[in-house]
Amino acid sequence: DTAVSQTPKYLVTQMGNDKSIKCEQNLGHDTMYWYKQDSKKFLKIMFSYNNKELIINETVPNRFSPKSPDKAHLNLHINSLELGDSAVYFCASSLEPGRGQNFGPGTRLTVL
Amino acid sequence: QKEVEQDPGPLSVPEGAIVSLNCTYSNSAFQYFMWYRQYSRKGPELLMYTYSSGNKEDGRFTAQVDKSSKYISLFIRDSQPSDSATYLCAMKSSNDYKLSFGAGTTVTVRA
Repeated sequence: DTAVSQTPKYLVTQMGNDKSIKCEQNLGHDTMYWYKQDSKKFLKIMFSYNNKELIINETVPNRFSPKSPDKAHLNLHINSLELGDSAVYFCASSLEPGRGQNFGPGTRLTVL
Repeated sequence: QKEVEQDPGPLSVPEGAIVSLNCTYSNSAFQYFMWYRQYSRKGPELLMYTYSSGNKEDGRFTAQVDKSSKYISLFIRDSQPSDSATYLCAMKSSNDYKLSFGAGTTVTVRA
């Protein structure tokens, strides 16, 4: 009965590769988010979708592209991975934009 | 200057002590204030959610908001080793979708 799930949990890959992270929530929430947490634990919003519509699109490289096939899913595709992309990526969801968010367990991405 | 400032610690206290955490902010439009707890290698979990100024209590946790001073606090009474985690404050304004997070304070409660 996991609320927000992400796959994979760990991702180790070479520079230049393309990878995707998947997120699913079974809470019936309308809003989903992607965050990046760096080594200093700082959480930075990247994207948010509300009812499949993009509502937050922070200044991130256009190598990052979110996709929301339906309200329960929000995937993150990253092209041409760079060393600086190494971080933990969290998916989250909330009933409506900006309200208290439920976070997934995170995907630890390491780019070699 | 960051929009939300939070002392990263680390903070180490003996079991049973009161833990006091705080954040200051610069945006006077912030109206919604949250505290998240993040255990090592886990996702943040929402602890407290408050609107505007005032106090909110939930078990051993008390959240305080002082909008006039742009200052929020979280108190943990009778702290337990299981409270050892990183605590992040977050806040937003009414007309913004995104949360602004503090950097997190790492707390260790010694048995």
